[in-house]
Amino acid sequence: DAGVTQSPTHLIKTRGQQVTLRCSPKSGHDTVSWYQQALGQGPQFIFQYYEEEERQRGNFPDRFSGHQFPNYSSELNVNALLLGDSALYLCASSQRLAIYEQYFGPGTRLTVT
Amino acid sequence: AQSVTQLDSHVSVSEGTPVLLRCNYSSSYSPSLFWYVQHPNKGLQLLLKYTSAATLVKGINGFEAEFKKSETSFHLTKPSAHMSDAAEYFCVVRLDSNYQLIWGAGTKLIIKP
Repeated sequence: DAGVTQSPTHLIKTRGQQVTLRCSPKSGHDTVSWYQQALGQGPQFIFQYYEEEERQRGNFPDRFSGHQFPNYSSELNVNALLLGDSALYLCASSQRLAIYEQYFGPGTRLTVT
Repeated sequence: AQSVTQLDSHVSVSEGTPVLLRCNYSSSYSPSLFWYVQHPNKGLQLLLKYTSAATLVKGINGFEAEFKKSETSFHLTKPSAHMSDAAEYFCVVRLDSNYQLIWGAGTKLIIKP
């Protein structure tokens, strides 16, 4: 059984560009959450998707948007990239919004130059 | 407002000696608390969780944590450190209102041979 997978592993972008990160949840999970982890810090909650809708959102600007597909996979989009967007982006999956057990992917390392 | 503070950014112990990683929380209600571990280039893994059952919680890899309401603490311990325990450890509190996870800044555990 594959766990949570994310692609790509690493990404380098230039300021002002747009980026799309992808996540496939663990088998049997229907909820996907996205986190941003800056170097030396704990993860910060971006948003959560369930039934193809954004259910909760953390304190992130509208430049951060997402999508969930019928197969429960998800995308995170970031527009107008800033240097401060450089971070590890983590995807976590769980069942029915129940975040007692969140399973995390290995993350996508985004570097903005 | 709920928050979590990890009291040490780095902890260094010798292999075979006890491990203590300290965490204090702030919560208006009886909180749900978690410890996650992050090994280099790997995803976050749930070590253990407290959800108002037994105050002494046992997790994976020999770790355990004790919930002390009077001290608002949830310290993580292990009797004997192993080289494979070297990683970053995060203490996490769950918001009662919307189930969002609030993360501590992390403690880097260093194991000396």
